[in-house]
Amino acid sequence: GAVVSQHPSWVICKSGTSVKIECRSLDFQATTMFWYRQFPKQSLMLMATSNEGSKATYEQGVEKDKFLINHASLTLSTLTVTSAHPEDSSFYICSAPWTSRRLDTQYFGPGTRLTVL
Amino acid sequence: AQTVTQSQPEMSVQEAETVTLSCTYDTSENNYYLFWYKQPPSRQMILVIRQEAYKQQNATENRFSVNFQKAAKSFSLKISDSQLGDTAMYFCAYLTGTASKLTFGTGTRLQVTL
Repeated sequence: GAVVSQHPSWVICKSGTSVKIECRSLDFQATTMFWYRQFPKQSLMLMATSNEGSKATYEQGVEKDKFLINHASLTLSTLTVTSAHPEDSSFYICSAPWTSRRLDTQYFGPGTRLTVL
Repeated sequence: AQTVTQSQPEMSVQEAETVTLSCTYDTSENNYYLFWYKQPPSRQMILVIRQEAYKQQNATENRFSVNFQKAAKSFSLKISDSQLGDTAMYFCAYLTGTASKLTFGTGTRLQVTL
């Protein structure tokens, strides 16, 4: 089956620093990837849609200058949390639809736990 | 905008019993997809079952089946012969036929007990 990986699985950083999270589709090409944020015991909240070769589309209320998304290749999207603050601590999950097969099937990465001290 | 509602924040079921998780959604579209995802303590999202709106037949996957009522906009998940490994958060999700953005419900935490 399709596999989506994320790196790192967890990261701790100091307030004010930037953190980059990678999302890779390992055995399929993904022209689109999605980034979610999940707070403890809550649902997934879509942050943005990452588009290969073009700008990301952000959901309402998500600061594009704070959460930088780059989709540089058909298998890699990165989310950079800039000038991180403790309130950015959360679980970040990416997903990718296997568009060459079924647009409706999305595969999720294992998530990245970010803790900002 | 589409919305997905899961009215049961928590549920408990004994091992080997059957449990049904509820989900309702709101949409004006005719072509869409519905999903149930499982998120165990590892937090890896796992697809449990998928239903295409144009199909009248309810989807089944081994011990998992759905009751899809399109007119009522209801999409419940039935887990038969519950196992301890079924303990997880379960999310109902909606996908339009023209886009790939998933809309998730708030989730139901299922605890399977001995």
